[in-house]
Amino acid sequence: DSGVTQTPKHLITATGQRVTLRCSPRSGDLSVYWYQQSLDQGLQFLIHYYNGEERAKGNILERFSAQQFPDLHSELNLSSLELGDSALYFCASSVPGTGGETQYFGPGTRLLVL
Amino acid sequence: AQSVTQLGSHVSVSEGALVLLRCNYSSSVPPYLFWYVQYPNQGLQLLLKYTSAATLVKGINGFEAEFKKSETSFHLTKPSAHMSDAAEYFCAVSDSHNNDMRFGAGTRLTVKP
Repeated sequence: DSGVTQTPKHLITATGQRVTLRCSPRSGDLSVYWYQQSLDQGLQFLIHYYNGEERAKGNILERFSAQQFPDLHSELNLSSLELGDSALYFCASSVPGTGGETQYFGPGTRLLVL
Repeated sequence: AQSVTQLGSHVSVSEGALVLLRCNYSSSVPPYLFWYVQYPNQGLQLLLKYTSAATLVKGINGFEAEFKKSETSFHLTKPSAHMSDAAEYFCAVSDSHNNDMRFGAGTRLTVKP
């Protein structure tokens, strides 16, 4: 158990819909990262939040957005869903530092868009 | 931009044989390098990481990796494979500014009895 929790574990929805994925980081971790894992794209970095502020963006679509709340939990919002958005979405957390910090991954949310 | 390339999407070894999973990196600055393992239907778990303290890094479950700057490599090895090592392995690189991680495509390790 990494200490990172994600809900829900599974999500099935239809094209055009909007969903919200939730992540609670390990106690004391200020950074939250979101990743998408799919068969065709592999494991891709989406976005990084540090203490409530957006720190960096990766390959995140404009239909996707995220935020980190004062209690440090984070939400990833996916809208106008398409079949290709079906994937495993992971969040990870780390302590702040100067680089090379270990990222601890949650168990993931498996999204299926029908 | 930093990146890693994993050579071989599938590796199959016999139980007790040497495990060698290859990873090459591309980085304009000294990199931080990681190996993660993913078991079926689970998240990623850190095996080991290189942060410039020592070139030979020992991790969990008997795995180790050696950072070779001249070869831009960070290959993962284990002297003797166990059935429980069957999983997907990911090499990753992060930068010193944001700690954002870029993963390789992954290598699926199969261990034959």
